Amino acid sequence: IAGITQAPTSQILAAGRRMTLRCTQDMRHNAMYWYRQDLGLGLRLIHYSNTAGTTGKGEVPDGYSVSRANTDDFPLTLASAVPSQTSVYFCASSEGIATEAFFGQGTRLTVV
Amino acid sequence: AQSVTQLGSHVSVSEGALVLLRCNYSSSVPPYLFWYVQYPNQGLQLLLKYTTGATLVKGINGFEAEFKKSETSFHLTKPSAHMSDAAEYFCAVRGGSNDYKLSFGAGTTVTVRA
Repeated sequence: IAGITQAPTSQILAAGRRMTLRCTQDMRHNAMYWYRQDLGLGLRLIHYSNTAGTTGKGEVPDGYSVSRANTDDFPLTLASAVPSQTSVYFCASSEGIATEAFFGQGTRLTVV
Repeated sequence: AQSVTQLGSHVSVSEGALVLLRCNYSSSVPPYLFWYVQYPNQGLQLLLKYTTGATLVKGINGFEAEFKKSETSFHLTKPSAHMSDAAEYFCAVRGGSNDYKLSFGAGTTVTVRA
């Protein structure tokens, strides 16, 4: 079934460690997104990409970086994890400006 | 800049009663608007969307929403709540420019009383 694959599903990470969350889509969508979901705060946009080779900052980009080397992959890197980055991370993709975003199942990250 | 405000973080309704979830947006250009639902421990699923044309849009599971430009609103309704409607609901906006940025509200949790 076509869609978005996120890995890992969950992770416990020591503070200060580097971590890359992986996201792959097989729908050939132009745009991709990373969100974090925290209780009471909804989904906050971290970074996004309109198309391969371009990226943009969302609402909460500090401490995170992304790359978009090709259409299918959009990894999110935490260079030096901190406990405040404990969250559920969702990757999403969208074909066009007027189309909805499709979401992965999420990565639950705990930084200790 | 674009943003979404969802009024009410929690809504409790009786089974069979009207469900009304409020969403107001800000956008410097004509927006594209979306409602998503999230069931516990799952990802987000699209309920409905407004792009252009008819301002009253119908979605899955009996939900509908009306785009009111003058009020910058996109409220979600369902005439008769079902127990299976218990979930978290998110409103989202994308400015209708060349930027694909998609912003979400803080969400509204719906509980349904038997």
